[in-house]
Amino acid sequence: VHLRESGPGLVKPSETLSLTCTVSGYSISSGYYWGWIRQPPGKGLEWIGTVYQSGSTFYSPSLKSRIDISVDTSKNQFSLNLNSVTAADTAVYFCAREGYCSGSSCYFGGADSWGQGTLVTVSS
Amino acid sequence: QPVLTQSSSASASLGSSVTLTCTLNSGHSSFIIAWHQQQPGKAPRFLMKLESSGNYNKGSGVPDRFSGSSAGADRYLTISHVQSDDEADYYCETWDTNTHIFGGGTRLTVL
Repeated sequence: VHLRESGPGLVKPSETLSLTCTVSGYSISSGYYWGWIRQPPGKGLEWIGTVYQSGSTFYSPSLKSRIDISVDTSKNQFSLNLNSVTAADTAVYFCAREGYCSGSSCYFGGADSWGQGTLVTVSS
Repeated sequence: QPVLTQSSSASASLGSSVTLTCTLNSGHSSFIIAWHQQQPGKAPRFLMKLESSGNYNKGSGVPDRFSGSSAGADRYLTISHVQSDDEADYYCETWDTNTHIFGGGTRLTVL
């Protein structure tokens, strides 16, 4: 499985950050969970949220009021929208495949494949 | 909610072995974790998922030099025959029913 993030590298304060993750080598509709993680410059990893193929979502409590994650199985993509951004949202944003599948059932779980990441800077 | 604690730094000499520790908080000692490696300037790489029993499943292409073990609330990552490109940040991750948590990461320096 290969994941690739795309979207603007620069976003103005108070605007919305929008990123898309394109998945290849695996069909999103076949299972697993699909997540977004970010890393501010020089800092550690922070989970943002996760979406399942059905559209069910799970969000970080600290970001819940500002984020929306959606999935488009026809394009094999999932997307992140983060609104009302500030300089504190400047980070490298990674998409990842998460969880594990056994037979026809898939379960919420840790990341096992990562995208290369994309730097998003919030600045006027 | 689970919390993961990692030492901020560790060091190892070329060719030696090193063990990194990730500790779960009270009440969460049965949780599965994942170990990830992040080399400088690169994306994280999944290394393995590690159960409380000590059983682990490694990602594709992860060398045999990387192994995992568990004792109580502690989850260990052992790197044998340390090489220069093992110099990286190592993160542990866990999850419950609707959230993921990352440890603060351990920076491994190879001497």
